[in-house]
Amino acid sequence: AQSVTQPDIHITVSEGASLELRCNYSYGATPYLFWYVQSPGQGLQLLLKYFSGDTLVQGIKGFEAEFKRSQSSFNLRKPSVHWSDAAEYFCAVDSGTYKYIFGTGTRLKVLA
Amino acid sequence: EAQVTQNPRYLITVTGKKLTVTCSQNMNHEYMSWYRQDPGLGLRQIYYSMNVEVTDKGDVPEGYKVSRKEKRNFPLILESPSPNQTSLYFCASSLPGTGDYNEQFFGPGTRLTVL
Repeated sequence: AQSVTQPDIHITVSEGASLELRCNYSYGATPYLFWYVQSPGQGLQLLLKYFSGDTLVQGIKGFEAEFKRSQSSFNLRKPSVHWSDAAEYFCAVDSGTYKYIFGTGTRLKVLA
Repeated sequence: EAQVTQNPRYLITVTGKKLTVTCSQNMNHEYMSWYRQDPGLGLRQIYYSMNVEVTDKGDVPEGYKVSRKEKRNFPLILESPSPNQTSLYFCASSLPGTGDYNEQFFGPGTRLTVL
């Protein structure tokens, strides 16, 4: 069965520090991969997505993610975190069958 | 403005009292989906719809029904709600197909409490 693992439930970083959120998926072929952000009390907003091609994808708000097929990973990165990045981040997979699987989320706290 | 709307945003009800949460999108999207979000479990797909009159189960369909009589609307029906359906519910929509498809646009959420 397909699955998405976000091993870090909580991450705390200082403002200005770099960030990496981990995501691993289990699927036979290359799925469609997504990162979403959910600010407190809000819905989900798409940060970036990977379908094919260049394995380093750029998203909104200065985020990027790298697809590594050999590691079945799609980690999210940002070189310098801002206080407004505090939110919950979800990795998601679509195998192409319109059934989406989300990870359990990583809650990011940013220290001033 | 392109958006997905849900109503109500907050609902407190009692066990067994039928309820419907409405979802509407104005982007002419074929694909719509319902999720529930629970702490520590992320979002789990309840039902999805590929187009009018075409629906299918997600990972957690038990206790829920959906219908898709019009492209823009995708209501979620709880015939006999139970306390374990207390959750935050999201509706989402997208275009089907390849390329830039399946970027899902999410509604603001409906917080449901079943007593």
